[in-house]
Amino acid sequence: KAGVTQTPRYLIKTRGQQVTLSCSPISGHRSVSWYQQTPGQGLQFLFEYFSETQRNKGNFPGRFSGRQFSNSRSEMNVSTLELGDSALYLCASSSINRTGGTQYFGPGTRLTVL
Amino acid sequence: GDSVTQMEGPVTLSEEAFLTINCTYTATGYPSLFWYVQYPGEGLQLLLKATKADDKGSNKGFEATYRKETTSFHLEKGSVQVSDSAVYFCALGQNYYNTDKLIFGTGTRLQVFP
Repeated sequence: KAGVTQTPRYLIKTRGQQVTLSCSPISGHRSVSWYQQTPGQGLQFLFEYFSETQRNKGNFPGRFSGRQFSNSRSEMNVSTLELGDSALYLCASSSINRTGGTQYFGPGTRLTVL
Repeated sequence: GDSVTQMEGPVTLSEEAFLTINCTYTATGYPSLFWYVQYPGEGLQLLLKATKADDKGSNKGFEATYRKETTSFHLEKGSVQVSDSAVYFCALGQNYYNTDKLIFGTGTRLQVFP
């Protein structure tokens, strides 16, 4: 079974631009979560989607948004990029109807904001 | 709120040495506990998990036991290899909230020398 895939793997943007990251979960997984990883703040939860509905959200500004499609694929968008948004963005999926289930992570998208 | 505390790294060992990475948690209820590993330039890989008190998770020679009385989930391996060099993250997930959100520790870098 294929793992979680994320595209693109690397992105370079400039301040003020916006960016969209994509995540395809493991087949059959309906829950997708996003995390931001930085050297200073570590791994921080962004948001979680289940069956196209956001069911949990972390403490990030409104510039960070996401959505999930009917095939469970998810996208996250960051508008008006700031230098501090440079990070590794990780997507994770977990199995159907299991709260507290096991999350499986993709390889991440490395975003650099210049 | 819920939190995870890991020992500071880096942990530096010679090949075949015994490894312990300490992890303690603060949580209400009965969380699931996880260890993830991150190799350079990659996402997180699930190493092992435990879903209730006294459970022992194990994988690839690594073990961790869910100790509710000491709120701990220490990672151990009897004989480390150079290939075990990576960053290890302890995480908890709540079972009774409608979410799969994970709360991570800060990570512990392990360096194994031949």
